[in-house]
Amino acid sequence: GENVEQHPSTLSVQEGDSAVIKCTYSDSASNYFPWYKQELGKRPQLIIDIRSNVGEKKDQRIAVTLNKTAKHFSLHITETQPEDSAVYFCAASANQFYFGTGTSLTVIP
Amino acid sequence: DVKVTQSSRYLVKRTGEKVFLECVQDMDHENMFWYRQDPGLGLRLIYFSYDVKMKEKGDIPEGYSVSREKKERFSLILESASTNQTSMYLCASSSGNKYEQYFGPGTRLTVT
Repeated sequence: GENVEQHPSTLSVQEGDSAVIKCTYSDSASNYFPWYKQELGKRPQLIIDIRSNVGEKKDQRIAVTLNKTAKHFSLHITETQPEDSAVYFCAASANQFYFGTGTSLTVIP
Repeated sequence: DVKVTQSSRYLVKRTGEKVFLECVQDMDHENMFWYRQDPGLGLRLIYFSYDVKMKEKGDIPEGYSVSREKKERFSLILESASTNQTSMYLCASSSGNKYEQYFGPGTRLTVT
């Protein structure tokens, strides 16, 4: 089956700096790559996703890049704010979803 | 607005008890999922279902079973609860494998 690895497991940045979270996957059949944000005590919610026919997608301060050849994709958050503090999960989907182990992001005011 | 609800937010059960966790979605989604979430391990898929009465094993099905008798409802069953099943259980639904999963609020299960 698919194996999704996510790094780093924890990340601290100063408010206003950028944050980057990276994921790799193993199954070349995976073609859908969502990112979820889970705030403390709340359910995971989709923040951005990308499909395999696209190399990059942006939504305001959030962007995702995909390198299908290297089988890795990354989440970029610019101008970080304290409300960005949360756990972020990447996932890869071919026939089913496989989630990464999560990155706990702390934005220091 | 999609709603996924779970029957309990917190549950405490004793070792050996049979435990039922229920999930209901109101968006007519075909796909429903059960995950457990543990610190450092992310979201691990227990079972999923693509249709009524249909189920597929995920990565960690041992000790669990599921039931989907109606499209909107997906139940997770712990036949004989054990302490290593103490965890947060999250249900999710989606309209397909290439689409957003909507999660329920989770059930924090403690087995003593």
